[in-house]
Amino acid sequence: AQSVAQPEDQVNVAEGNPLTVKCTYSVSGNPYLFWYVQYPNRGLQFLLKYITGDNLVKGSYGFEAEFNKSQTSFHLKKPSALVSDSALYFCAVRDQAGTALIFGKGTTLSVSS
Amino acid sequence: GAVVSQHPSWVICKSGTSVKIECRSLDFQATTMFWYRQFPKQSLMLMATSNEGSKATYEQGVEKDKFLINHASLTLSTLTVTSAHPEDSSFYICSASIAEHTQYFGPGTRLTVL
Repeated sequence: AQSVAQPEDQVNVAEGNPLTVKCTYSVSGNPYLFWYVQYPNRGLQFLLKYITGDNLVKGSYGFEAEFNKSQTSFHLKKPSALVSDSALYFCAVRDQAGTALIFGKGTTLSVSS
Repeated sequence: GAVVSQHPSWVICKSGTSVKIECRSLDFQATTMFWYRQFPKQSLMLMATSNEGSKATYEQGVEKDKFLINHASLTLSTLTVTSAHPEDSSFYICSASIAEHTQYFGPGTRLTVL
């Protein structure tokens, strides 16, 4: 069965510092991996995805993620955090045969000024 | 592009009544739409997957007679919560996908059942 783990409930970083939000996955076959961000009382906004190709994926708002097949990870990163990045971040996976996304529990990112 | 809207954004209803939530893809035709439920500070739980013109596929544990899904066109799916009860209060989010794998999410609908 597909599953996604986000081991951290909350990540705290200072503005200007690099940030990492962790995600590991379990799926049969090749995974399709996604990161979404959710602001309070809002829907989800797509950040980036990995389908195939280059392991380093660049997305919206300066975020990037690295697909690591051996570690089954897809950590979200940003070189310099902004206070406005504070939000709830979800990692999601689907397998090639499926259509629905399976979401991690979410990680709250808090960026302090 | 790829904008998904939901209506209403917030609805408050009395216990026992039915509530309809609309999900529209505004600038694309969605082959598949999904309905999720989100409890406060929790992740999204997939409720059902719907394809235009066919019956929705419900996830295990989701009552199909309670959560009626209609996908009448490539741009519109509706979720009707029938005989709503306080435990149905939640944030309901729809998404729509086209062939490129990515799902685009609506802004969500907050349902409060009194």
